[in-house]
Amino acid sequence: NAGVTQTPKFRVLKTGQSMTLLCAQDMNHEYMYWYRQDPGMGLRLIHYSVGEGTTAKGEVPDGYNVSRLKKQNFLLGLESAAPSQTSVYFCASSPGDSSYEQYFGPGTRLTVT
Amino acid sequence: GQSLEQPSEVTAVEGAIVQINCTYQTSGFYGLSWYQQHDGGAPTFLSYNALDGLEETGRFSSFLSRSDSYGYLLLQELQMKDSASYFCAVRTGGFKTIFGAGTRLFVKA
Repeated sequence: NAGVTQTPKFRVLKTGQSMTLLCAQDMNHEYMYWYRQDPGMGLRLIHYSVGEGTTAKGEVPDGYNVSRLKKQNFLLGLESAAPSQTSVYFCASSPGDSSYEQYFGPGTRLTVT
Repeated sequence: GQSLEQPSEVTAVEGAIVQINCTYQTSGFYGLSWYQQHDGGAPTFLSYNALDGLEETGRFSSFLSRSDSYGYLLLQELQMKDSASYFCAVRTGGFKTIFGAGTRLFVKA
């Protein structure tokens, strides 16, 4: 099992450009999450999904959109990138409602110039 | 608002014991988790406490007091490879988890 994978690993965008980050998991997990991690601020939840076809907002959803068309994939979109979105983005998944352990992907380092 | 407080840095000597504290103030509480993250790596799960008391997993133990909104991670027999950042996280309602800012642990020889 690959666990949780993320593509791409690194990306540099110019202000105003758009991009999609892909997260895939092969553990048949119901829940998936997108976090951003900035220096000294820990992980902040952007959006999450409790099942295929569902999404919900987290702490810092502005400027991002998500989709979960297939159970194994969770996409994070930036429609018009801003320098404030420079961060490391982590995707995570967990099995279900009673689960507490989240499995994290390796992260995507995004720089917006 | 919701907040988790933990020290920003802790330094300890190889072979020693270190305790990393976490106090929280959240609108809901289902449990307290701890994650380890090495530089450039992904967070990895260490432990979870839903009820008061001590949970032990090898060299790592985690404690929770819900009445005090407090928990800690105890690392024994420190090794150089334990140098990393440690995050406490509270599972709140609605399947959400709030993370603390992290404690950077430096282990010296």
